[in-house]
Amino acid sequence: EAQVTQNPRYLITVTGKKLTVTCSQNMNHEYMSWYRQDPGLGLRQIYYSMNVEVTDKGDVPEGYKVSRKEKRNFPLILESPSPNQTSLYFCASSGSGVNSPLHFGNGTRLTVT
Amino acid sequence: AQSVSQHNHHVILSEAASLELGCNYSYGGTVNLFWYVQYPGQHLQLLLKYFSGDPLVKGIKGFEAEFIKSKFSFNLRKPSVQWSDTAEYFCAVSRRAGNTGKLIFGQGTTLQVKP
Repeated sequence: EAQVTQNPRYLITVTGKKLTVTCSQNMNHEYMSWYRQDPGLGLRQIYYSMNVEVTDKGDVPEGYKVSRKEKRNFPLILESPSPNQTSLYFCASSGSGVNSPLHFGNGTRLTVT
Repeated sequence: AQSVSQHNHHVILSEAASLELGCNYSYGGTVNLFWYVQYPGQHLQLLLKYFSGDPLVKGIKGFEAEFIKSKFSFNLRKPSVQWSDTAEYFCAVSRRAGNTGKLIFGQGTTLQVKP
């Protein structure tokens, strides 16, 4: 089954404790992206990647890192989480064609205390 | 900067009422347009999309949207809503040129349908 898999689904952590949210897709998609969803703000792009070893900042990259060493994986790293990073995070992927829609993962709800 | 605006933040309707959710975007070039739906506790799913051709696009579950280029709008409609349509709806736009892959989302509209 074609899917985007994020782990974990829920995560509660404390300020400053490094964490990684994993994202994997099995559709051989070139493009992958991370979004955060906050009430009243919709989805805002954090980082995206057009292909292996190619990453770029989205609209809200501060406090986040990503890597794209393999085509299928696009982990989101929070080196020193802060409470303002409490949010619902979605990973998404799509093919390289201009008409390729995004496929979303099930989301990771992160709480930083 | 490119932006997407959804005019209604929270809409409450009774079953069988008609629905129209507004979406306007600011980018002047050629765009791809999308509506995504997020049911409670779930991830976003594609409802419909417009790339080119007929500006009236039909999607899943009886939804449709009309692209009006002169108004920079892509409003979502459904003639008769059901309780199961209760969800959050997001309009999104991507630039066709350059295929940067960047999708800009609106703030979302929460639809509550009363049985």
